[in-house]
Amino acid sequence: EIVLTQSPATLSLSPGERATLSCGASQSVSSSYLAWYQQKPGLAPRLLIYDASSRATGIPDRFSGSGSGTDFTLTISRLEPEDFAVYYCQQYGSSPAFGQGTKLEIK
Amino acid sequence: EVQLVESGGGLVKPGGSLRLSCAASGFTFSSYSMNWVRQAPGKGLEWVSSISSSSSYIYYADSVKGRFTISRDNAKNSLYLQMNSLRAEDTAVYYCARDGGEELLFDYWGQGTLVTVSS
Repeated sequence: EIVLTQSPATLSLSPGERATLSCGASQSVSSSYLAWYQQKPGLAPRLLIYDASSRATGIPDRFSGSGSGTDFTLTISRLEPEDFAVYYCQQYGSSPAFGQGTKLEIK
Repeated sequence: EVQLVESGGGLVKPGGSLRLSCAASGFTFSSYSMNWVRQAPGKGLEWVSSISSSSSYIYYADSVKGRFTISRDNAKNSLYLQMNSLRAEDTAVYYCARDGGEELLFDYWGQGTLVTVSS
């Protein structure tokens, strides 16, 4: 069973800044089956990135994903006010696992 | 527009049962695998169960195996989760989520329904 560890737990940044969120896997993620979700308070998660680097439908291009094997990164190039939320990484394809989340808060 | 609407949550005593439903619209329900994912209050996400488009393949997380049963009715565009022998640790918001092409990639989610297990 793959364990995903996200860092940092909390990231404090200002609008306009660049955000870099990390997700580490205890074993190699096959076929780069790694996704990122955004969740705002009281709402369901929203799929942002799949296959480690492909943006889901309607996701702005300021969101990008990268990585392979055991190390993955979600980058938000220039933070907008609506981007402050909790972000989860997830391994899929088999035995799905989520990371514990990174809270992106306004500094 | 894809829509998933959960219902059936509520307060139940430990050891009790509850049946959740998810009504789907805006896509060909019978062509997609479907899932239940839960989130305990203030905690992260946990996959609960999956069912293939024709109900041929069903999977459960170890934490619910033997207690929960997933099912679907393609004629009614509906997904279900029968939850028995409920425990306090099953308290969570339960989301219905569609498989997004790849197995267990969740591309659309419902708004969730809260299940509280407490005496």
